[in-house]
Amino acid sequence: DAMVIQNPRYQVTQFGKPVTLSCSQTLNHNVMYWYQQKSSQAPKLLFHYYDKDFNNEADTPDNFQSRRPNTSFCFLDIRSPGLGDAAMYLCATSREVGEEDTQYFGPGTRLTVL
Amino acid sequence: DAKTTQPPSMDCAEGRAANLPCNHSTISGNEYVYWYRQIHSQGPQYIIHGLKNNETNEMASLIITEDRKSSTLILPHATLRDTAVYYCIVRVVIQGQLTFGSGTQLTVLP
Repeated sequence: DAMVIQNPRYQVTQFGKPVTLSCSQTLNHNVMYWYQQKSSQAPKLLFHYYDKDFNNEADTPDNFQSRRPNTSFCFLDIRSPGLGDAAMYLCATSREVGEEDTQYFGPGTRLTVL
Repeated sequence: DAKTTQPPSMDCAEGRAANLPCNHSTISGNEYVYWYRQIHSQGPQYIIHGLKNNETNEMASLIITEDRKSSTLILPHATLRDTAVYYCIVRVVIQGQLTFGSGTQLTVLP
């Protein structure tokens, strides 16, 4: 029944230790998004894939990378996490990028950096 | 993206209608108004969207003023499970991104 799945739901890493968060979808949507949501703030888009085309937001730090090996899966890699990267990371999908294409969000992965 | 302004918090009695306002005075003619909500520790959930006309679905109604400078989301019979942050978003479609504002924390009281 789940449409956008994120694993794990909670992730703890150490300062500077690379970490990968994963997202999968059963909707066969073309577009996958990664958002960062810090405590008490609104979600902020990091980047998205339209099929295999990667689109980075201008202010996304170089520390954040993404991979999309196939339609169903998308990964967020944080190369050297800092304390400021502790946040909820949300994956979303949409069929297309049109005005009326709804984004469906996963439950998020809460990242703690020690 | 057009900026949206929402009250930071609102209360509503259970069973009553919840009316959540949003101002978007700089909206352009081709920008849609979207509403999402986020229940604590969950991902945002789509509620409804519209361009000019009022819209209704199983979750809510969206009333957009004739000049499109403001809108109201209506939850007709609020329940405790409707307690969440509600985001009004004016959507630029260039790359499909949603730009979230600060939202309204709706608390439904028993």
